[in-house]
Amino acid sequence: GENVEQHPSTLSVQEGDSAVIKCTYSDSASNYFPWYKQELGKRPQLIIDIRSNVGEKKDQRIAVTLNKTAKHFSLHITETQPEDSAVYFCAAYDSGTYKYIFGTGTRLKVLA
Amino acid sequence: NAGVTQTPKFQVLKTGQSMTLQCAQDMNHNSMYWYRQDPGMGLRLIYYSASEGTTDKGEVPNGYNVSRLNKREFSLRLESAAPSQTSVYFCASRYTGGEKTQYFGPGTRLLVL
Repeated sequence: GENVEQHPSTLSVQEGDSAVIKCTYSDSASNYFPWYKQELGKRPQLIIDIRSNVGEKKDQRIAVTLNKTAKHFSLHITETQPEDSAVYFCAAYDSGTYKYIFGTGTRLKVLA
Repeated sequence: NAGVTQTPKFQVLKTGQSMTLQCAQDMNHNSMYWYRQDPGMGLRLIYYSASEGTTDKGEVPNGYNVSRLNKREFSLRLESAAPSQTSVYFCASRYTGGEKTQYFGPGTRLLVL
């Protein structure tokens, strides 16, 4: 079955710097890759996603890139702000099985 | 439009007790999911229902059962709770079709003593 690895597990950056979180997946059948932000005690919230027929997608300070050949995708946050501090999860979705498999999460701390 | 709702919000059980976690969505979504979240483990899929009338096992189904009661409701049952089932449980749903966004409920925090 699908396996998603996420790195790093923790990441500290200075306010204004960029943050990059990377994920790799194993199943070439996966065709949709969402990223979720989870604040303490809250539910995961979708922040950006990318489909397998697209290489990059951007939404203001957040961007996601996908390399299908290498089976990895990354989340890029520019000009980080303290409110970006949270746990971020990547996931891979297989439309054949309707299953989402999540990475283990990255705790991002933005230092003021 | 309440989205995805879960009850209860918090529950304490003794080892061996049973309970059912309830989940409902009012977005006319076809697929529903149950996850558990443990520190450092991310979200792990327990069971899912691709459509009304179907259920399938996820990554960690042992010790759980599910029921897709109708299109709106998907319940998760612990028949004999164990301390290893202490976790936060999230229900999620999505519309089956072009839209792949998954919407999560607020979670149920379960403590098994």
